[in-house]
Amino acid sequence: DGGITQSPKYLFRKEGQNVTLSCEQNLNHDAMYWYRQDPGQGLRLIYYSQIVNDFQKGDIAEGYSVSREKKESFPLTVTSAQKNPTAFYLCASTGLGQTGSYEQYFGPGTRLTVT
Amino acid sequence: DAKTTQPTSMDCAEGRAANLPCNHSTISGNEYVYWYRQIHSQGPQYIIHGLKNNETNEMASLIITEDRKSSTLILPHATLRDTAVYYCIVRGYGQTGANNLFFGTGTRLTVIP
Repeated sequence: DGGITQSPKYLFRKEGQNVTLSCEQNLNHDAMYWYRQDPGQGLRLIYYSQIVNDFQKGDIAEGYSVSREKKESFPLTVTSAQKNPTAFYLCASTGLGQTGSYEQYFGPGTRLTVT
Repeated sequence: DAKTTQPTSMDCAEGRAANLPCNHSTISGNEYVYWYRQIHSQGPQYIIHGLKNNETNEMASLIITEDRKSSTLILPHATLRDTAVYYCIVRGYGQTGANNLFFGTGTRLTVIP
């Protein structure tokens, strides 16, 4: 089945540690995205990449870093510089859906808790 | 980008139609209205989209006003599994740029037994 996978589903880290969240897609989509969601809030864009070896900051990129070495993979690193890292992180990609128009497909998310 | 306004929350009785409104008064002529929903602790799921004509698929119907400044998502027979946050988004067709997709806080729909 085609789709987006994120691992792990739950992640726990101590404050001051960097942590990398995995995102893989086998949809052959060029564009990939990372969002952060806090309780009761909408999604906020962290970083996005429209093509391999290229990425741009979103609205809340401070304290995060990404890489896009392969089309299928777009890992997100939450660094110790991120002041409030505890959140639900969603990875997405954009491509033509069954309707013939562009749709954004989302992974199941990773819930990161930093204590 | 045109942004959207939705009520924070709504309730609907199981088996009845759920009508979720969305205002997008600054929508431009080539922008589509998309609806997604997010069930708790999962990634958002595409529901339906439209430009100016009403649309229907196996999940829902989308009614867009003639002036395109507002729309309504209709779930014809709501079930308990339809309890979720519903996002109304305006975006340009065929554009993959992230700045064309803006998720607000959405409407939290609760289907009541």
